[in-house]
Formats: sequence, C-alpha cells, structure tokens
Amino acid sequence: NAGVMQNPRHLVRRRGQEARLRCSPVKGHSHVYWYRQLPEEGLKFMVYLQKENIIDESGMPKERFSAEFPKEGPSILRIQQVVRGDSAAYFCASSSSGPYSYNSPLHFGNGTRLTVT
Amino acid sequence: EDQVTQSPEALRLQEGESSSLNCSYTVSGLRGLFWYRQDPGKGPEFLFTLYSAGEEKEKERLKATLTKKESFLHITAPKPEDSATYLCAARLDSTGGFKTIFGAGTRLFVKA
Repeated sequence: NAGVMQNPRHLVRRRGQEARLRCSPVKGHSHVYWYRQLPEEGLKFMVYLQKENIIDESGMPKERFSAEFPKEGPSILRIQQVVRGDSAAYFCASSSSGPYSYNSPLHFGNGTRLTVT
Repeated sequence: EDQVTQSPEALRLQEGESSSLNCSYTVSGLRGLFWYRQDPGKGPEFLFTLYSAGEEKEKERLKATLTKKESFLHITAPKPEDSATYLCAARLDSTGGFKTIFGAGTRLFVKA
C-alpha cells in the first residue's frame, strides 16, 4: 500500500516563475494537508482540503499561493511569481475520512524542496 | 492563540543516557496530542497519539505521557539510531473538520 507520494523531490525556480507541487495521498484518504517547513523550524500549516473543496486555507498567503484537490488526480500546491522567501520544504499529508477521522494520524510524504534563485 | 512549544531545542545524549523531551500546549478544543519522528530529508513518521490526561503509550525505548498542559516523550537507554527530530503536534477543531499544529521540534543526538 503506497504512502503519500510527492513530486518533484527537488524543484529549482528563478524569481518570477511558477512552482507546481504535486501530492498523491494514501489510497482511500480524502483529507489532504499542506505544510511548509523552514530549516530548524516546525511545520507550519498552510491549507486543508477535501476532494474538490478547500476547507481551511487560513495558513496560506492570500496572494500568489493556491491549492486544489480535484475529483481525479493529485492535489496541487501552486506558487506563482516565486520569490526567494518561498524557498522551503513543502510537505503534504493525508488522513482517512469518517466520523472518527480526528483519531487518525497524518501520513506524510517526503516533501518537495523548493529553491528559488 | 493556539500554540505548541517544545523544549529543549536540541538534546545531546550519550548512548544509554535516559532523558525526556517536553511539549507544552495552549489550545482550545484539543482532540489529540501526537508525536512524530523526522529524519533528515524525510517526512515526519507517526509515533503516538494521546487523548486524555494520564494516558501513556510505549514503543520500544520510547514512552509518551500526557497531562492537561504538557506531554513528555521519555527515552530510555537511547541508541544512536534514535537520533532524529521529534515533533509534537496538537489536533484541534477547525472549520469543517480539524487541523493539526506542530511544535518546532527537539533535535536529539545520541552518541555511541
């Protein structure tokens, strides 16, 4: 049973370009979360999605950042017109659905390391 | 504001030297307290979930405990392979479901 798959593992973009980060959750999981991690810092919550819906985007900057989780295909985190401050590791996590889903731990991918030059 | 704070930031132990990592939390509507292990270049790996004060969970050399304001991760007779960053996270109610907020982690170094 495959875990959370993220690609690419490493992404280099010049300032002003677009970055697209992909995440395929654990099979059967319908809750997806994106987190950002800077060196020696904790994981900062960005956005929580269920299939075709953004549930909580309170941690995501309102400009340049967007996320989607379509009915078919992976979840996408898109960063437009990247700046050097966007350089970080971006982690995707998924959890199972159901009335007791708060019990289920997050399953993480190995992240995408974005470097903006 | 909901907050999770971990201490110390870094901990250096000799192999076999037991110690504890601390996680204090200030959140409303706590649904669960989670511990994860993160190795360099990898995503966090789930260790434990605790739900109520007084609860304890054990796995090999690790034991996690929970009070109303703190959680501790006790490491007994650690080995070099226990070296990693240990993350504490609080799950709380949020719009449309729940969300999980993380502490900054404790970097553990165990020397042979």
